[in-house]
Amino acid sequence: AQSVTQLGSHVSVSEGALVLLRCNYSSSVPPYLFWYVQYPNQGLQLLLKYTSAATLVKGINGFEAEFKKSETSFHLTKPSAHMSDAAEYFCAVSHGSSNTGKLIFGQGTTLQVKP
Amino acid sequence: NAGVTQTPKFQVLKTGQSMTLQCAQDMNHEYMSWYRQDPGMGLRLIHYSVGAGITDQGEVPNGYNVSRSTTEDFPLRLLSAAPSQTSVYFCASGRGGNYEQYFGPGTRLTVT
Repeated sequence: AQSVTQLGSHVSVSEGALVLLRCNYSSSVPPYLFWYVQYPNQGLQLLLKYTSAATLVKGINGFEAEFKKSETSFHLTKPSAHMSDAAEYFCAVSHGSSNTGKLIFGQGTTLQVKP
Repeated sequence: NAGVTQTPKFQVLKTGQSMTLQCAQDMNHEYMSWYRQDPGMGLRLIHYSVGAGITDQGEVPNGYNVSRSTTEDFPLRLLSAAPSQTSVYFCASGRGGNYEQYFGPGTRLTVT
C-alpha cells in the first residue's frame, strides 16, 4: 500500500529565508509524486510533479523538489520565502503503473512566513 | 474553460437528511474523483471514476454514492447525513498520462 508522511504540521520561516517542507513516501511500485498548495478557502493547485523523468523537478513560484529513491523522500524547497507563500502544502503519491488518477495525500504542512 | 466547478459552496444539513453535491468539468477529462478534507488528515479519497459508467470506491466510501452518466458530471450523494460527514469536499478531474489532477473550489458541509 502507498502512503505519504509529511514531517511537521506547521513550519514558520522569516521572509527571505529558505523554505524546506519534508515529504517521505512508501510505495511498492515506482511512484508518481506531487506537491499541491492550498491558499485559504480555495481548492488545491499543482506546484510540481515527479513522473520518473528528471529527479530534480522545478515548479511554479520558484519551488523545486528532489526525488531521492534511496531516502524515499520528495522534499519541497524554495531559496527565499515570500509573504505570498503562506499557505497549506500537500505532498501526494499516485500509483505509477495504474492510470486511475487516484492520489494518496499526506497530512499537510502549514507554512507561515513572518515579516 | 471554467475548469472544475462545484455547487453548492456551503451547505448545512440536519442528521438524516440527504443531498447531492454537484461536480462538473469542461476539460473532457476521463478521470474524476471526490475527496474529503479534514483537519490534520489531509485529503482522503471517497470515490473515483475512470470514465462514464465506471466508478469505484476509494479509502472512505461509506455513506456516499456516486454515478457517472456523462464525461462532464460526477455527483456525490449523501444518503443519510451524519455529523461525521462534516467536512470540506473537493472534486477533481484529470487526463490519463500525466496524472495531474485539477481541483474544484470545494463544498463546505456542516451536519448538525
